[in-house]
Amino acid sequence: SQKIEQNSEALNIQEGKTATLTCNYTNYSPAYLQWYRQDPGRGPVFLLLIRENEKEKRKERLKVTFDTTLKQSLFHITASQPADSATYLCALGGDSNYQLIWGAGTKLIIKP
Amino acid sequence: KAGVTQTPRYLIKTRGQQVTLSCSPISGHRSVSWYQQTPGQGLQFLFEYFSETQRNKGNFPGRFSGRQFSNSRSEMNVSTLELGDSALYLCASSFLGIEQYFGPGTRLTVT
Repeated sequence: SQKIEQNSEALNIQEGKTATLTCNYTNYSPAYLQWYRQDPGRGPVFLLLIRENEKEKRKERLKVTFDTTLKQSLFHITASQPADSATYLCALGGDSNYQLIWGAGTKLIIKP
Repeated sequence: KAGVTQTPRYLIKTRGQQVTLSCSPISGHRSVSWYQQTPGQGLQFLFEYFSETQRNKGNFPGRFSGRQFSNSRSEMNVSTLELGDSALYLCASSFLGIEQYFGPGTRLTVT
């Protein structure tokens, strides 16, 4: 069955450093991959979408890479700040089916 | 544009009762998806409606149902509540069904 894996353990990063989160998947050939941010008690917030034919995408301090051979996406936050502390979710989708498949999320903690 | 709104925000029900949750999507969005989120299971897809038709359905029992109205507002209903239905229920709207814009959620507690 389709499976997405994100680091279940919290990631602790020093302020100012680059945080890198990983999303691995199996038994799926997504047309696109998305990253969301979720704060406690709130709904996820859309951050970035990258399509299967794109290798990298950037938005301000965020960078996403997508390797369909390795079946992996990396999500980078450069010059991290304590306000970046949240849980980050990845989600996969295919153009023929609008249902997203979600990872369980990785909790990121940026320490001042 | 106003964001996705969900009502009520908090709800306490007794086992065996039924509940109806409401979601108003972003203006112009025709796709509405519903998710259940629990600490142990993460985000679980319930169903998606597009222009009043259910387009996708997750692996939940028939006690979970939904509908979408002509103005794209959506409701989901859970009948015969069980303790395990306690969760955060999230609604997300989308223009084409890809990027999801979530509401604040309804926290349902079943006692």
